[in-house]
Amino acid sequence: KNQVEQSPQSLIILEGKNCTLQCNYTVSPFSNLRWYKQDTGRGPVSLTIMTFSENTKSNGRYTATLDADTKQSSLHITASQLSDSASYICVVSLVYGGSQGNLIFGKGTKLSVKP
Amino acid sequence: NAGVTQTPKFRVLKTGQSMTLLCAQDMNHEYMYWYRQDPGMGLRLIHYSVGEGTTAKGEVPDGYNVSRLKKQNFLLGLESAAPSQTSVYFCASSPRRGHSVYGYTFGSGTRLTVV
Repeated sequence: KNQVEQSPQSLIILEGKNCTLQCNYTVSPFSNLRWYKQDTGRGPVSLTIMTFSENTKSNGRYTATLDADTKQSSLHITASQLSDSASYICVVSLVYGGSQGNLIFGKGTKLSVKP
Repeated sequence: NAGVTQTPKFRVLKTGQSMTLLCAQDMNHEYMYWYRQDPGMGLRLIHYSVGEGTTAKGEVPDGYNVSRLKKQNFLLGLESAAPSQTSVYFCASSPRRGHSVYGYTFGSGTRLTVV
């Protein structure tokens, strides 16, 4: 079954610190991997999209990496800010979608940045 | 540019009542989706549409119906609400299927409680 697993479930860090969120997937055939940020009470917003041929992609202080061989991705946040407090969702896209559609969603990592 | 707009934002229903959730997008996207998000679970696809007048079942379609009479609107109906349908519902749209490099645009969600 196609699955996306994220770790940790939740994370608390101090403002200004860096952190790394993990994503492992068992999705085939794989098309691309996305990281979304979801603020409380809001819909997910896309941070990065990587195809299987891309190893890294940055969006400001957010850097995503992808290892298609080991089926692992990470999202690194540099110099965290209070506004980074949110859930971060790893989403893998299938080449051909079944009843799940094209996107397989992880459960998310809830990040809390404290002053 | 409003993007994806969902109405209502909040609703409380009694068991057995019916209601319709409205999703409107102004980006001329062909594809539209309805997801539900429950605590401790990733987003799950309810129904989707690949164009005006077309709909298809997703992963969890039971108890829901949809219609796409106009390209910009995607309606999600609950004919007889059940407590198990208490959830946050997200609408999304995309210019093509998800395996492309284009991301999905999500609405802000509708928080539905069935008592």
